[in-house]
Formats: sequence, structure tokens, C-alpha cells
Amino acid sequence: EVQLVESGGGLVQPGASLIISCAASGFTFSSYAMSWVRQAPGKGLEWVSVISGSGGSTYYADSVKGRFIISRDTSDNTLYLQMISLRAEDTAIYYCVKILSGDWYAGFDYWGQGTLVTVSS
Amino acid sequence: QSVLTQPPSASGTPGQRVTISCSGSSSNIGSNYVYWYQQLPGTAPKLLIYKNSQRPSGVPDRFSGSKSGTSASLAISGLRSEDEADYYCAAWDDSLSGYVFGTGTKVTVL
Repeated sequence: EVQLVESGGGLVQPGASLIISCAASGFTFSSYAMSWVRQAPGKGLEWVSVISGSGGSTYYADSVKGRFIISRDTSDNTLYLQMISLRAEDTAIYYCVKILSGDWYAGFDYWGQGTLVTVSS
Repeated sequence: QSVLTQPPSASGTPGQRVTISCSGSSSNIGSNYVYWYQQLPGTAPKLLIYKNSQRPSGVPDRFSGSKSGTSASLAISGLRSEDEADYYCAAWDDSLSGYVFGTGTKVTVL
């Protein structure tokens, strides 16, 4: 059974940094691309970033480019999102999402339950 | 920023058929697969349709997807109370080099 468990969310001040992580299990982690998708309170879904199965290709939404870094560690099946210079508009539930294949454009299938990041003074 | 356009709401009585549209462009729907997700209140989204019209195992055949040109649609037949949820379409966008989501449609069962 595929399981994606996010952690690391919390309340941070504007301009601060935060790293959130996602522990993956139930599938061969290195064979699948992974992504982060966020949802601001009461709003729709917004794609944030994706990393290929090999880790060699990464893509970012314009809204986070230059501030967020996606990475993965296949030794412990963990996906990360490093966030710097956080803004109030980054406040959202961040979902860890498995992609249907190793290709980054193949679409999302399994979603974690999300971790809430709140940026506020 | 949502690049795919969906109607904000749709509704029907139990047993009816409801259709949700998703309008995009040549760089997303026109050249890539469309995916549909169901988000029940307070929960994470769930994959309903992949590669335009394919259903994952466990998804009832009441749900069906189609695509034509730069638009796609999700149909729910035999509407049930448990279908009340938000529905989102998504696709890879070649121009943006990223995924785009639809604006979301809230389905209400009257």
C-alpha cells in the first residue's frame, strides 16, 4: 500500500526558512517522480514543484522559483522541500504527491494527507 | 495561478448525470494528458481519471472522462450523495514547463 507522510510544517515568520519532508513507502521510490502541490485555506490546488525519478530533473512554479528547492533521498525514501524567504502567500497545506511514472509529466496519483505551513508575524 | 477553466459549481439530484468541463490551450490539454481529482471535504485529493479517460482500480465506472482538442470533461452518472466534493482537472503545460490545475468545480447533490 502506497503511503506518503508529510512532516515539518508549522508557524513561521515572513522571511523565514523551513524544510518539509515526506516519508514514502509501499512502492519503489527511486522509480517514480514526486511532486509538491499546495492548497491555500479555502482555495484551489496549486502545483509547486516536481522532481524526476532519477532526481536529475526538477521544475518549479514561477511563484516559488528561486525560493524553493525540491530534493529526494533514495537511501531513506524521503522527499524534501526547502523553502526560504517565506511570504504570507505561501501559507497553505503542502501535499506530497507521487507521480504515475518516473517521468515528471506523467500526472499525480497518490497524495499524502498534507502538512500545514503558516507564514505570519 | 489556474490556467485551466472549470465552472465553479454543478449540481444534480440523485441518479442524474452531471458533466464538468475543463478548458485549456494547445500547450496543456491540447498536447498532454488530462487528469481528474476528487477532493472530499477536509481530505486530500484522490485520482479519479488518468490519461484522459482511464479509471484507476477502485473508482466506480459511474465516473468517465473524455478529451477533445483543448477541452476535457468529467461525467458523473447515477449521481450519489457521496459524490458531493470539489473536482479538479490537471495537465502538464509545455510552455510553462509545469503542471496546471483547473479552477475547481463544487458538485452538490440536491
